[in-house]
Amino acid sequence: DTAVSQTPKYLVTQMGNDKSIKCEQNLGHDTMYWYKQDSKKFLKIMFSYNNKELIINETVPNRFSPKSPDKAHLNLHINSLELGDSAVYFCASTARPGVASEAFFGQGTRLTVV
Amino acid sequence: AQSVAQPEDQVNVAEGNPLTVKCTYSVSGNPYLFWYVQYPNRGLQFLLKYITGDNLVKGSYGFEAEFNKSQTSFHLKKPSALVSDSALYFCAVRDGGNTPLVFGKGTRLSVIA
Repeated sequence: DTAVSQTPKYLVTQMGNDKSIKCEQNLGHDTMYWYKQDSKKFLKIMFSYNNKELIINETVPNRFSPKSPDKAHLNLHINSLELGDSAVYFCASTARPGVASEAFFGQGTRLTVV
Repeated sequence: AQSVAQPEDQVNVAEGNPLTVKCTYSVSGNPYLFWYVQYPNRGLQFLLKYITGDNLVKGSYGFEAEFNKSQTSFHLKKPSALVSDSALYFCAVRDGGNTPLVFGKGTRLSVIA
């Protein structure tokens, strides 16, 4: 009964491939996020969705495309993978776009592009 | 835009001693502050938050944090460190609306037996 779950946990792929990471939350939250954690452990917001609607899209290459089929799911599709995309990607959710809500994080997906 | 600074990359403390992990912030409005912990190969776990009210906030695993508005700080503290507290700690801030959490660069805590 994991609150925020991501699949896969590990993903190794070749440059140029297209891959997807899936995220699901069973907390009934309205807002979901994708964060990228680089090799220096720095966490940076990529996207934010509220009730399936994109509300924040940081400066991310357009090879990255989030998709939210419903408010419990936020998937991340990456086209034409590059070596620099190697990182850990975290999905997170909050109860509402309100300031008092802490975010709940998934376990992360470690993407390695070779 | 909001930002967070964690001035120390690494903090070392002996088991049983008190620990402090420092965090300062910058926001345009009222700050909403959070601490998270990350164990190796794991996601981030929420420890505590400050929204309003008492400046001393208590959280999980015996951690607490003190909000200081004049110094724009939100330092994480624990009276007696455990070896199992060794992990990466992140301070985060948001300033309202639909803004996501903005994280500091993290501080690695090492508790030595």
